[in-house]
Amino acid sequence: DTGVSQDPRHKITKRGQNVTFRCDPISEHNRLYWYRQTLGQGPEFLTYFQNEAQLEKSRLLSDRFSAERPKGSFSTLEIQRTEQGDSAMYLCASSLVSTPNNSPLHFGNGTRLTVT
Amino acid sequence: QQQVKQSPQSLIVQKGGISIINCAYENTAFDYFPWYQQFPGKGPALLIAIRPDVSEKKEGRFTISFNKSAKQFSLHIMDSQPGDSATYFCAAISGNTPLVFGKGTRLSVIA
Repeated sequence: DTGVSQDPRHKITKRGQNVTFRCDPISEHNRLYWYRQTLGQGPEFLTYFQNEAQLEKSRLLSDRFSAERPKGSFSTLEIQRTEQGDSAMYLCASSLVSTPNNSPLHFGNGTRLTVT
Repeated sequence: QQQVKQSPQSLIVQKGGISIINCAYENTAFDYFPWYQQFPGKGPALLIAIRPDVSEKKEGRFTISFNKSAKQFSLHIMDSQPGDSATYFCAAISGNTPLVFGKGTRLSVIA
């Protein structure tokens, strides 16, 4: 399977702990996105990278959140000092950007975070 | 501010019937309108997409109708099957802006 891979699938943590999620995009895709999805809602944009450059961050992304994409390959999303409101599904997606049109976003199956 | 408004929130359709989900948008810069299908425990998967230079796109049992002047687009699922039961999201994107999603429609197809 050469789709978008996310790890772990599930994470339960206590409030105040730090957590880190990993995303491996489709290999030839140069753009990588992080979204957050809560129950009964559509995915909400958090941030995205083109290659290794982080191009945009949503106002939803507080200072406790940080994302990296070293060498433009896999990406990590870290949440420091987790809060119960951080409980959600964290989705990663990737796409190939080329002029003039972008390819569609391909999503992974997400990491479900539960903060107790 | 909801950039893409989706309705209905939930939908129950008899097997063999037509499922219709509607979306409306405000940003006229949007130039790509995909629909995603999501099953429980899975990420959204691209179902079908349309660009605003066409009014309709059909792929198998799935059709997108697009009304540029009304800034509306809809998904029609013909001959709905129990396996189509899922949550459907409309979305929109322009240039280099991130994809924005509607809130989703939970479809249940009953036999």
